[in-house]
Amino acid sequence: EEQLVESGGGLVQPGGSLRLSCISSGFIFSTSWMTWVRQAPGKGLEWVANIHLSGSETYYVNSVRGRFTISRDNAKNSLYLQMNSLRVEDTAVYYCARGASPFDLWGQGSLVTVSS
Amino acid sequence: SYELAQPPSVSVAPGQTARITCGGNSIGLRSVHWYQQKPGQAPVLVISYNKDRPSGIPDRFSGSNSGNTATLTISRVEGGDEADYYCQVWITTSSPPFVFGPGTKVTVL
Repeated sequence: EEQLVESGGGLVQPGGSLRLSCISSGFIFSTSWMTWVRQAPGKGLEWVANIHLSGSETYYVNSVRGRFTISRDNAKNSLYLQMNSLRVEDTAVYYCARGASPFDLWGQGSLVTVSS
Repeated sequence: SYELAQPPSVSVAPGQTARITCGGNSIGLRSVHWYQQKPGQAPVLVISYNKDRPSGIPDRFSGSNSGNTATLTISRVEGGDEADYYCQVWITTSSPPFVFGPGTKVTVL
């Protein structure tokens, strides 16, 4: 069964850092673009970042560029999102997803709460 | 930036047909994808490239796209179809390039 499982979310103070992880199984991870999408409480979906198969290309939404870093380890079938200088408005459920439009497989999500 | 418009809500009786629209400038020239999200769950891709159904998606779900409007149609609606539905496009010249619509809440009466 194809699966994505996120971890690493939690409560962090404004200005703090957090690293999300997403482990894949059931498919060849190294052949897929990977993406992070977030959803603020009660709001819609927002694309955050994505990364090329090899990790050679990365793209970010303007609001996180320079603060967040997407990366991957194909040997470990894993995707990461390093989040620094976190803001209250970054509070959301963060989903990892396979592909770069469409996003055809999603993890269950990891909640990140930025609050003092 | 490119913007998509969806009605906030659609109500439909069981067995009837629900149509959810997604409006955007010349969206007919784009590939539109649709996602279903039930409460507390992750989104699921239900229609890709305007009209293609991924494996496991019932044929009650169909899509079309022309002009300035894409449409997701759910035929013979069931209670389990109650969810939020999001359209999504990829616009290489937009910032951000991956855009989601605001979502439509489908309520089964």
